[in-house]
Amino acid sequence: SQKIEQNSEALNIQEGKTATLTCNYTNYSPAYLQWYRQDPGRGPVFLLLIRENEKEKRKERLKVTFDTTLKQSLFHITASQPADSATYLCALEVDGNNRKLIWGLGTSLAVNP
Amino acid sequence: KAGVTQTPRYLIKTRGQQVTLSCSPISGHRSVSWYQQTPGQGLQFLFEYFSETQRNKGNFPGRFSGRQFSNSRSEMNVSTLELGDSALYLCASMGGTGETQYFGPGTRLLVL
Repeated sequence: SQKIEQNSEALNIQEGKTATLTCNYTNYSPAYLQWYRQDPGRGPVFLLLIRENEKEKRKERLKVTFDTTLKQSLFHITASQPADSATYLCALEVDGNNRKLIWGLGTSLAVNP
Repeated sequence: KAGVTQTPRYLIKTRGQQVTLSCSPISGHRSVSWYQQTPGQGLQFLFEYFSETQRNKGNFPGRFSGRQFSNSRSEMNVSTLELGDSALYLCASMGGTGETQYFGPGTRLLVL
């Protein structure tokens, strides 16, 4: 069955450092992958989408890579700030006709001042 | 544009009762999806409605149902509530490109 995994342990980093979060998947070839941010008690907020034919995507301090051979996406936040503390979710497109997504459980990031 | 709104934000019910949750999508968005989120299972897809028709369905029992109105507002109903239905229920709307989902704040349901 399709499986999507994110770092289960919380990630603690110092302000100013780069945070790197991992999303691994098996048994599928998605056309695209998305990253979302979720704060406690709120719905996820879309951050970035990367397609299967794109190796890297950037948006301000965010960078996403997509390696379809390794079946892995890496999400980087450079010059991290305490305000970046949140849970980050990756979502995989699994049915192109119906635009259906499956979601990882998320990785909790804490940026310490 | 106003974001996705969900009502109520919090709800406490007892086993066996039923509940109806409401979602108003972003103006102009015709697709509304519903998700259940729990700590152990993460975001689980319930169903998606597009132009008043159910377009996709997840693997949830028939106790979970939904509908969409002509103004794109959607409701989700859960009948015969079980303790395991306690969760955050999120709805998300999608625009024309059909890729990015815009989530509401969710309804936190507690079943006692």
